[in-house]
Amino acid sequence: AQSVTQPDIHITVSEGASLELRCNYSYGATPYLFWYVQSPGQGLQLLLKYFSGDTLVQGIKGFEAEFKRSQSSFNLRKPSVHWSDAAEYFCAVGAGERSYNTDKLIFGTGTRLQVFP
Amino acid sequence: ETGVTQTPRHLVMGMTNKKSLKCEQHLGHNAMYWYKQSAKKPLELMFVYSLEERVENNSVPSRFSPECPNSSHLFLHLHTLQPEDSALYLCASSQGLGREGGNIQYFGAGTRLSVL
Repeated sequence: AQSVTQPDIHITVSEGASLELRCNYSYGATPYLFWYVQSPGQGLQLLLKYFSGDTLVQGIKGFEAEFKRSQSSFNLRKPSVHWSDAAEYFCAVGAGERSYNTDKLIFGTGTRLQVFP
Repeated sequence: ETGVTQTPRHLVMGMTNKKSLKCEQHLGHNAMYWYKQSAKKPLELMFVYSLEERVENNSVPSRFSPECPNSSHLFLHLHTLQPEDSALYLCASSQGLGREGGNIQYFGAGTRLSVL
């Protein structure tokens, strides 16, 4: 069965430091991968997605993620974190019966990011 | 502004009450979703509607009853809920199901439900 693992429940970084949030997935076919961010009291906002092509994808707010098929990973990175990046981050894999079907999303449990000044 | 609006933002109800959650999308999408977000659990997909037709019911108890009168509106009717149903309920929409090339879901801010 498809699954997503985010091994880090809570990460704390200093403002200006680099960030990497880990995501591992289990999916038999070529995955469609997403990172969403949820600020307190808000819904989920799409940061970036990987559907095909270049394995390094750029997103909003200076985030990027790299798809590594050999490691079944899709880690999220940012070179310099801002205090406003404090939020919860969710990795998701699109899973469905057809290879291009992203109608179902399987989410990880999320990583809460805390940023110290 | 995400284009998906949920009301109310907060709801407190007793176990014998009947209430409804509302979701409206202004994106011209054809598919809408209900998710449940509980603490320390992954988001759980509850229902999926495509062009007002329910296409997915993810083993959700009958005390949750969805309604999709048109492609812009989605409701979740609640009755005789249990305390464990307390959670954040998120609505999402997407352009349509089965789109070759991928599908992106856009989320509302959610309704925080507390069942007493």
